[in-house]
Amino acid sequence: SQKIEQNSEALNIQEGKTATLTCNYTNYSPAYLQWYRQDPGRGPVFLLLIRENEKEKRKERLKVTFDTTLKQSLFHITASQPADSATYLCALDDTSNTGKLIFGQGTTLQVKP
Amino acid sequence: DAGVTQSPTHLIKTRGQQVTLRCSPKSGHDTVSWYQQALGQGPQFIFQYYEEEERQRGNFPDRFSGHQFPNYSSELNVNALLLGDSALYLCASSLGKGDYEQYFGPGTRLTVT
Repeated sequence: SQKIEQNSEALNIQEGKTATLTCNYTNYSPAYLQWYRQDPGRGPVFLLLIRENEKEKRKERLKVTFDTTLKQSLFHITASQPADSATYLCALDDTSNTGKLIFGQGTTLQVKP
Repeated sequence: DAGVTQSPTHLIKTRGQQVTLRCSPKSGHDTVSWYQQALGQGPQFIFQYYEEEERQRGNFPDRFSGHQFPNYSSELNVNALLLGDSALYLCASSLGKGDYEQYFGPGTRLTVT
């Protein structure tokens, strides 16, 4: 069956450290994968998109990798801050680049000062 | 430039009733997608509208229907409400289909009693 999985347990790290979040998928062949941030009671906010022919994408303190062989994406936040505390969602396109996004359940990140 | 707006913010309905949720997309966006997000889960795709037609649909029963207007705004209708329909309903807009980031609204919190 098709699945997209993220670490269900919350990730707790110390301020200044690098947070690494994992997204694994099975039985999909996505053309791209996206990462979103969601704060409690708010809608998700787009962070980064990485295409199948890209190995890595960076934006400020954020870095995403995409390994289509392992069927895995890693999301890194370097020099983490308490303001980075939120739930992070990965999403992939289910049907050949039509914008129908399938989301993982999200990983909650808590950065402690 | 206003982002995606949704109304109402919160709604309480009784089992068996019908509800209509509304969404105005980000300026310039022509595609609207609706998602249902249960507590602690990632958003689940309901359907997507483009050029006033339903283009994609997720695994939701026919009780869930929608509409897109010429100005690209959209409505989500749910008939014969069940307790399990209680969730955060998110609207997302994008420019066309494909590998475009989606802009989410703040959501409508629906509680069915």
